[in-house]
Amino acid sequence: QSVLTQPPSASGTPGQRVTISCSGSSSNIGSNDVYWYQRLPGTAPKLLIYRNNQRPSGVPDRFSGSKSGTSASLAIGGLRSEDEADYYCAAWDDSLSGHVVFGGGTQLTVL
Amino acid sequence: EVQLVQSGAEVKKSGESLKISCKGSGYSFTTYWIGWVRQMPGKGLEWMGFIYPGDSDTRFSPSFQGQVTISVDKSISTAYLQWSSLKPSDTAMYYCARRMVQGVIDYWGQGTLVTVSS
Repeated sequence: QSVLTQPPSASGTPGQRVTISCSGSSSNIGSNDVYWYQRLPGTAPKLLIYRNNQRPSGVPDRFSGSKSGTSASLAIGGLRSEDEADYYCAAWDDSLSGHVVFGGGTQLTVL
Repeated sequence: EVQLVQSGAEVKKSGESLKISCKGSGYSFTTYWIGWVRQMPGKGLEWMGFIYPGDSDTRFSPSFQGQVTISVDKSISTAYLQWSSLKPSDTAMYYCARRMVQGVIDYWGQGTLVTVSS
């Protein structure tokens, strides 16, 4: 059971906008930044969004992140077939001397 | 360019020991925390722990404290994850990962698949 809660699956058609949610608590999302990772099939995770809404260089602006209270969201606009991947949220958790917590992951299917 | 290059896949028997490695390059190895993330078959990501190569300060997830050892050889910019007695439940993909400054993870290794048979 993951500390952060994500829907197990999401889907959309090419060109659509899809949103993936991530719910936590006051000790993680409520007091720390949220990060999003994309894991394409057979590859290592890649940083997609850091500090809630910042994109590393090279990440298209179709990807955006937001946070409010103890929840966060990843939005993917103009969906493409190559966006089909697993998406994970993560945050630092201040409990138990501090540790990283992840969401269970959302498998995105492009129909 | 920051790179984390991990050692190759391992196939072991229950009870055997194992040490896998992760070599960092393209950045100042001693000034960033580096650690390990587990992904069991069909499951999500689980943070195991971090080590600070500058002074070997180590932080563990409560779930992995006492189950594994994380170490580093800063002379060769390499971090290690070690088991003294493997179990079939240790079968998983293990990723090394760099912790960004005052944040979570920014770079990942390619992963090391560990398979443990009974």
